[in-house]
Amino acid sequence: SQQGEEDPQALSIQEGENATMNCSYKTSINNLQWYRQNSGRGLVHLILIRSNEREKHSGRLRVTLDTSKKSSSLLITASRAADTASYFCATAKAAGNKLTFGGGTRVLVKP
Amino acid sequence: DAGVTQSPTHLIKTRGQQVTLRCSPKSGHDTVSWYQQALGQGPQFIFQYYEEEERQRGNFPDRFSGHQFPNYSSELNVNALLLGDSALYLCASSLGDMNTEAFFGQGTRLTVV
Repeated sequence: SQQGEEDPQALSIQEGENATMNCSYKTSINNLQWYRQNSGRGLVHLILIRSNEREKHSGRLRVTLDTSKKSSSLLITASRAADTASYFCATAKAAGNKLTFGGGTRVLVKP
Repeated sequence: DAGVTQSPTHLIKTRGQQVTLRCSPKSGHDTVSWYQQALGQGPQFIFQYYEEEERQRGNFPDRFSGHQFPNYSSELNVNALLLGDSALYLCASSLGDMNTEAFFGQGTRLTVV
């Protein structure tokens, strides 16, 4: 069964707009990781946020984590056509533990 | 610094056959995990290898087995292939029990006909 659920399942935006997607999970976690996947190929790691952290930034990406609500969000600012991909959140219950993925959010950025 | 490499990239097999997929982890990583991703879904955990032992296992039948070698590379074997085994198989490497990222390879696309 999947631990995380992404919302929305699909998102279509214009280039330059911001894209926000959310992830909810069910049990306590050690860390939460966001990945990008293009055209059904490998997963590219974006950001890892630990359970004692609330927010992290990497370039145009911003991730928040609310452990009380068991939820996380990924914000992509000033989106580009190259950001078109599927985005997945994955949780680990313990350090080095298996990752449990959600179903993903499919993002389309129109030029 | 090479990342995670998987081979082959594509594979077509017939029902009932056996298949072996290979993975070399990122340099410095000692843990390899395997995931199955069906079309349109998120990856599902198969198992994880550390120090040449299966450390964790997901909800997959015994037809799925693996191995880790002393150089940390790994193989995934699937016996008696079913049509439903058609998927993208992803290998991820990480560093022991460290609270750090897992890096994925490009995957092997397996089609069972």
